[in-house]
Amino acid sequence: QVQLQESGPGLVKPSQTLSLTCTVSGGSISSGSYYWSWIRQPAGKTLEWIGRMFTSGSTSYHPSFKSRVTMSADTSKNHFSLTLTSVTAADTAIYYCARVGSPPGAGMDVWGQGTTVTVSS
Amino acid sequence: DVVMTQSPLSLPVALGQPASISCRSSQGLVYIDGNTYLNWFQQRPGQSPRRLIYQVSNRDSGVPDRFSGSGSGTDFTLKISRVEAEDVGVYYCMQGTHWPPYTFGQGTKLEIK
Repeated sequence: QVQLQESGPGLVKPSQTLSLTCTVSGGSISSGSYYWSWIRQPAGKTLEWIGRMFTSGSTSYHPSFKSRVTMSADTSKNHFSLTLTSVTAADTAIYYCARVGSPPGAGMDVWGQGTTVTVSS
Repeated sequence: DVVMTQSPLSLPVALGQPASISCRSSQGLVYIDGNTYLNWFQQRPGQSPRRLIYQVSNRDSGVPDRFSGSGSGTDFTLKISRVEAEDVGVYYCMQGTHWPPYTFGQGTKLEIK
């Protein structure tokens, strides 16, 4: 059974870079035809898709984040990562990593537990 | 971006009674492959979201059959035939047809009356 676990700093200063990692267990991120995705949720608000990636390096990002976001994978460590630059208080949220089921339009079928990130000085 | 509009936003339901949540998209959700990528997620208090229904009407493994999805075009519905205490939480619809980005509805909060 595939499980995902997010990790990273819980506090980031404004204008700095947020970096999170999602470690996958119970399966290889480079097997199958799955994409891997990041989604966030500000407190009391709805979910916001940030982007998705395939381990071949193919990525697709939300246009709103495009200039600030990078996703990458390290298949040797079976994890993938999110980098978000120039953060502001508006980036404060719970960040989830998830597996995108097949076909991709069917959405995220496995989710991590989420990690809270606060942007504050 | 495709806007997903859910109603109601708050849904108090007595135990054992049915519940229905509507989701409307600002564009039709039929993809070029002929499939309709409208999905439903449940988020229980303090938990991560969990996919319940994919492609309008397909239940995920382990999802009770009291949950059902229907709809076409731009109008979709999630129904719970008899609400149980464990169904409390927020329900989101999500479209996966017109991406990027995938977009979610505002969420419908189901509570026990």
